[in-house]
Amino acid sequence: NAGVTQTPKFQVLKTGQSMTLQCAQDMNHNSMYWYRQDPGMGLRLIYYSASEGTTDKGEVPNGYNVSRLNKREFSLRLESAAPSQTSVYFCASRQRGTETQYFGPGTRLLVL
Amino acid sequence: RKEVEQDPGPFNVPEGATVAFNCTYSNSASQSFFWYRQDCRKEPKLLMSVYSSGNEDGRFTAQLNRASQYISLLIRDSKLSDSATYLCVVNLSGGYNKLIFGAGTRLAVHP
Repeated sequence: NAGVTQTPKFQVLKTGQSMTLQCAQDMNHNSMYWYRQDPGMGLRLIYYSASEGTTDKGEVPNGYNVSRLNKREFSLRLESAAPSQTSVYFCASRQRGTETQYFGPGTRLLVL
Repeated sequence: RKEVEQDPGPFNVPEGATVAFNCTYSNSASQSFFWYRQDCRKEPKLLMSVYSSGNEDGRFTAQLNRASQYISLLIRDSKLSDSATYLCVVNLSGGYNKLIFGAGTRLAVHP
C-alpha cells in the first residue's frame, strides 16, 4: 500500500515550458487535492476534486489546470510555466466522511 | 491578516523540555482543527485533531479556545525526534473539506 505517490520528485523548467505533475493514490479515496507550499506561507489549495469526474478551483488556480483521470489519479498541468510557480507541490487525498488528508511526498519545481 | 497565524520560531529547546505552540485563526465559522507535523523536505502528516474539551495523545496535548479563536499544542518531555515544523490547520467546513494551513512553527530539540 503505497498511499499517495507523486512524479516527478524534482523538475527544472524554463519560463514558458509546460509540464504535468502526476499524482496517484491507492487508498480508494474519493477526494483529491493539489497544494503549493512556499517559504513563510502555509500550504495553499490550487485545485481539488471531490469525486471522480469533478474538479473545482481552490485559492490559487491561475496558471494551472487539472484532470481527474479516474478515481486513483489527479494530475496538475502548467501550460506555460512562470518563475512565480517555483514551489513545492503536494497532492493529497481524503476518504469521504473523514477529515484527514493524506499527502504525497511532493514535487519540487524550479522555473528559471 | 492571515487566516491562520503561527509564531514561525524556531523554538530551540533541550531534550526533556516542555514547549508550547500557539495559533490563532480569523474565521469564527471554522469547524474543526488539527495539528500536522512536517519534517524537513517531507510531506505534512496529521499529528492530532483538536477538540473543544482538549485532548491528549501521549506527550502531546492540544487545546482549543473558540471564544478567543486560539489553538495550542503542548509537547512534554521533548525528544530529538520531535524536531520538525508543526502546522496549525483549520477546516472551514463545506462539502470539500477546505483546510487552511498556518505557515508552521519550527521546533529544534537539541541534546
